[in-house]
Amino acid sequence: QLQLQESGPGLVKPSETLSLTCTVSGGSISSSSYYWGWIRQPPGKGLEWIGSIYYSGSTYYNPSLKSRVTISVDTSKNQFSLKLSSVTAADTAVYYCARHPSRRAPFDPWGQGTLVTVSS
Amino acid sequence: QSVLTQPPSVSEAPRQRVTISCSGSSSNIGNNAVNWYQQLPGKAPKLLIYYDDLLPSGVSDRFSGSKSGTSASLAISGLQSEDEADYYCAAWDDSLNGYVFGTGTKVTVL
Repeated sequence: QLQLQESGPGLVKPSETLSLTCTVSGGSISSSSYYWGWIRQPPGKGLEWIGSIYYSGSTYYNPSLKSRVTISVDTSKNQFSLKLSSVTAADTAVYYCARHPSRRAPFDPWGQGTLVTVSS
Repeated sequence: QSVLTQPPSVSEAPRQRVTISCSGSSSNIGNNAVNWYQQLPGKAPKLLIYYDDLLPSGVSDRFSGSKSGTSASLAISGLQSEDEADYYCAAWDDSLNGYVFGTGTKVTVL
C-alpha cells in the first residue's frame, strides 16, 4: 500500500525559504507515470494546491505561488521536495503531499501533513 | 479566493440526507471532472468521489456525486455521526491552468 510522509522544519523565519520533503513508501516514485503534488491548508481555512511534478521531473505550479515555488524529485531516494521562498506569516499552514495519476486527476493518497509555522 | 463556491455548513439529523453544492464556471466544472474530498477532524483529506460520480474502493455507497453544467453536488444519505467532517469539491481550471479546491463545507450531524 502506497504511503507518503512529509518531513521538514516546523518553524521557519519570515523571508527565509521553507523546505519540505515527501518520502514515498510501498512503491517506486518512478515506476509508473504518476504526478506528485503539494497542497497546503492554513489553520482553520481551506485547501490550496501548490504545484506538482511528473516522475520525469517536469513541473507545473499554482500561478499565484509560481514565482516562489520549486518542486523537485529524487528518484534514488524515492522522494520529492518543496521549496517556498520569501515566506511570510501567510504561508503558515499544514502542508500535504499526494499522488495523482495525471495533471487533472484527483489526489490519492495523501500524506498525513506537517504543520509549518512562519514566525521570528 | 477560491473559484469553486460551497455553502459554509450544512446540518441534518441522523439517518437523513444532505446535499452539498459546488458552483463553478465553464473553465473548471463545466469542462473538467469534479472530485470530492472528505476531511475528518485533525486528519488529512481523503478522496471520496472522483470523475464526477465514481466511488473509490472502500467508500460507502451512501455517498454519491453528480454534475450538471457548471455545478456539482455531493449527497450523503443515511447520515451518521461519523460523517461529521469538512467536504471539499475540486477540479482542474483551464483558465488558471491549475487545480482548484472549493471553499469547503462543514457537515454537522444533529
